Amino acid sequence: DVKVTQSSRYLVKRTGEKVFLECVQDMDHENMFWYRQDPGLGLRLIYFSYDVKMKEKGDIPEGYSVSREKKERFSLILESASTNQTSMYLCASSLLGGRATYNEQFFGPGTRLTVL
Amino acid sequence: QKEVEQDPGPLSVPEGAIVSLNCTYSNSAFQYFMWYRQYSRKGPELLMYTYSSGNKEDGRFTAQVDKSSKYISLFIRDSQPSDSATYLCATAGGSNYKLTFGKGTLLTVNP
Repeated sequence: DVKVTQSSRYLVKRTGEKVFLECVQDMDHENMFWYRQDPGLGLRLIYFSYDVKMKEKGDIPEGYSVSREKKERFSLILESASTNQTSMYLCASSLLGGRATYNEQFFGPGTRLTVL
Repeated sequence: QKEVEQDPGPLSVPEGAIVSLNCTYSNSAFQYFMWYRQYSRKGPELLMYTYSSGNKEDGRFTAQVDKSSKYISLFIRDSQPSDSATYLCATAGGSNYKLTFGKGTLLTVNP
């Protein structure tokens, strides 16, 4: 079974703190993704990575950065946390695939981050 | 116009009812259509996947895609309390590894 794990289920931080969210997958997937999920807004893509050290901005990258030094690990960084970054953060991974195929995204359990 | 529109509900039905969940999308380049199910305090998991137009059936679940009207549906027959979850439609196009999600519909099946 594909397993995507996230470092914390619940996290409480203060405004201005630097926050690291870690995600690890064990299926040798090329693609990894960070989403945030908010009531009424659904899932929104923050960043994704299709290879080690490669990254692309998603729909809402402002206030976030990412790091992918190893294939299995993808980190989301909040340089200076703000209250509007309080949310559920979901990591996902998938095979690279080709244009003729779709590859399922497997999600982790999520990290509920509260910024006070 | 948002790329994928989904009525957020909530939807509450009695056990055994037929449930219909729907999404519309605007980008005709989308070719892959998915339904994810998300239980409370869990990550989404893939329930059904369809390529292009047509129907796909898996047990009590049927996914339908009508590309001419840009309409995606999920039907659940003989609904069970264990089906209570948020259902998210998602689409993908040329860059098939990027998904566009609907906002999700919260479904409650009452015993």
